[in-house]
Amino acid sequence: GQQVMQIPQYQHVQEGEDFTTYCNSSTTLSNIQWYKQRPGGHPVFLIQLVKSGEVKKQKRLTFQFGEAKKNSSLHITATQTTDVGTYFCAGPTGSGGSNYKLTFGKGTLLTVNP
Amino acid sequence: NAGVTQTPKFRVLKTGQSMTLLCAQDMNHEYMYWYRQDPGMGLRLIHYSVGEGTTAKGEVPDGYNVSRLKKQNFLLGLESAAPSQTSVYFCASSRQGDYQPQHFGDGTRLSIL
Repeated sequence: GQQVMQIPQYQHVQEGEDFTTYCNSSTTLSNIQWYKQRPGGHPVFLIQLVKSGEVKKQKRLTFQFGEAKKNSSLHITATQTTDVGTYFCAGPTGSGGSNYKLTFGKGTLLTVNP
Repeated sequence: NAGVTQTPKFRVLKTGQSMTLLCAQDMNHEYMYWYRQDPGMGLRLIHYSVGEGTTAKGEVPDGYNVSRLKKQNFLLGLESAAPSQTSVYFCASSRQGDYQPQHFGDGTRLSIL
């Protein structure tokens, strides 16, 4: 079945440093979604990428979708303590238009030292 | 709007006991999902529903049952709890159609002793 791999599993940075997490799929994705989960909280939708090579920005966060639509990345510029949490990518599961089901990567836990 | 509400928030069970986790959404979403989250394992889909009266198995359905008698509610049942079912359970919902984001509840932290 489809697999969505995320690296790194953990990342600890000093406040102000940049952070990047990478997501790779074993199959071509029609779209990819990113979620953030604060410690003790629930996943919250951040953004969705649909087009090949797409780049979207949300303030200090930059999301990219690869040209082959098999990989994606999330880059945070100048991290802040509010960025702490686990970042998940998720791609649609299965074929035939089952885009309402998602396969989640295992996530990257970001900790920030103030 | 409350969004997605899960009850209870915490529960401790003994092995062999049964219980039902409740999920309610007030966004009129067609699709609903139950996930479990274990350390280092991400979110794994247990069961899902694409509409009232319909349910389907996800990635890890064994030991669980679900029901969707009303559009706004999705129930997850543990028939005979086992320690391996100790986890955090999240319910989510989304609109009908492709590429819709999922909205999650706060989770239920379940321990099986």
